[in-house]
Amino acid sequence: GIQVEQSPPDLILQEGANSTLRCNFSDSVNNLQWFHQNPWGQLINLFYIPSGTKQNGRLSATTVATERYSLLYISSSQTTDSGVYFCAAPYGGATNKLIFGTGTLLAVQP
Amino acid sequence: EAQVTQNPRYLITVTGKKLTVTCSQNMNHEYMSWYRQDPGLGLRQIYYSMNVEVTDKGDVPEGYKVSRKEKRNFPLILESPSPNQTSLYFCASSFKGWAYSNQPQHFGDGTRLSIL
Repeated sequence: GIQVEQSPPDLILQEGANSTLRCNFSDSVNNLQWFHQNPWGQLINLFYIPSGTKQNGRLSATTVATERYSLLYISSSQTTDSGVYFCAAPYGGATNKLIFGTGTLLAVQP
Repeated sequence: EAQVTQNPRYLITVTGKKLTVTCSQNMNHEYMSWYRQDPGLGLRQIYYSMNVEVTDKGDVPEGYKVSRKEKRNFPLILESPSPNQTSLYFCASSFKGWAYSNQPQHFGDGTRLSIL
């Protein structure tokens, strides 16, 4: 099955700073999603991004499918951005199994 | 309000005592799934269901059972819980499965199980 790796494993930022989180996957994927888990444990979909670039407010994501990676950009970070960011991809081919990366723990300090 | 509801939120129990974690969604979603989250391992899929009476194994199905008798409910059953099943569990649903993943997954708030 596909392997999904995220970097960095953890990151500390000052409020207002920008950051880039990376997700590498070992095989071609036909879709990829980014999720945010807030400090209270709640999981929220951020992006469905099999290819190209999408933006939602201060967050944007880019997936380069041919090179098997995706990037999540956080600009002008706020303390509410703290938490764990996961990317996830189908387990193998056009399947409904799902594999998550191990996440990036982000702490934004005031 | 659209939501995925899991119960219980917290449970401490003992090895071998059967337990069920319920999951219910009110969005008429076809796809439902269970995940467990462990430190350093991220989330791993246990089982998923494409629709009523259609279930399939995820990455870590051993020791778990599921059923999908109604569209809205997808309970997770631990027939004989063991300490290695101590974890944080999430249920999720979406309109369709991953083949149609422009539909977001909605997650429950999680169930923290401790098996002693």
